[in-house]
Amino acid sequence: AQKVTQAQTEISVVEKEDVTLDCVYETRDTTYYLFWYKQPPSGELVFLIRRNSFDEQNEISGRYSWNFQKSTSSFNFTITASQVVDSAVYFCALRPNYGGATNKLIFGTGTLLAVQP
Amino acid sequence: EAQVTQNPRYLITVTGKKLTVTCSQNMNHEYMSWYRQDPGLGLRQIYYSMNVEVTDKGDVPEGYKVSRKEKRNFPLILESPSPNQTSLYFCASSLGFDSSYEQYFGPGTRLTVT
Repeated sequence: AQKVTQAQTEISVVEKEDVTLDCVYETRDTTYYLFWYKQPPSGELVFLIRRNSFDEQNEISGRYSWNFQKSTSSFNFTITASQVVDSAVYFCALRPNYGGATNKLIFGTGTLLAVQP
Repeated sequence: EAQVTQNPRYLITVTGKKLTVTCSQNMNHEYMSWYRQDPGLGLRQIYYSMNVEVTDKGDVPEGYKVSRKEKRNFPLILESPSPNQTSLYFCASSLGFDSSYEQYFGPGTRLTVT
C-alpha cells in the first residue's frame, strides 16, 4: 500500500515555541520522493521541500528543518521559534516510482498549525 | 513567469448545471493532473494526462471528465455537479510523468455546489 499518515490533526503553540509535525509513509518502492507543502489561509499550496529516498541527510533551511529516517519511514518537519505567519495547514506527500508512474502525489490528511501570539 | 493558472478561482453553482474549470500552463509541460482537497482527506488525484489526447483516471474520477486537446490546457468538466463535489480543486503540471519531475500547482479553485 502507498500511504501517508499525519497523525496530528491540529497543533496549537505559542509564538517562539518549537514545533514538530510528524509524517509517516508506506511504500513498496525503493525509489520515491517525499514532500512537504504549506497551505496558508489563502489556500494555495506552497512547496517547501522535496527529498529523494536515497538521500537521508537532514536538511535545514532557516527556521525549518526536516528529519528523514528510512528505518522508521518517517519524514518529520520541525519549525524552530515559530511565528504567527507559520500558521497554516501542512501536508506531507509521497511520490512513488512504480513502473509507468503517473507522477501522482499521495498526500497525508494535513496538520493544521495554529501559532498564537 | 512560469505558472499554472486556473479559472475561475471561486465558483458557486447549483446541482446539475454543467461547469468547466480551466487549467493552463505556460511551461510546455507534458504531464497535467487534477486533485481535489477535502477536509480530513487531504488531496486526491481525479484525472491525469501524460500528453495531448492521453488521459486516465486517478483515484476519484467519478462525476468528472477531462480533455487534453492542446498541450497547455487541461480543463476539468463537471457535467452534472452534485453537492458532494463541493471542494477545493488544484491543477498541477510537470515536464514529464516520471516521478523525478517537479510538479507545479495552480492557485486552486474553490467550488460550492448547492
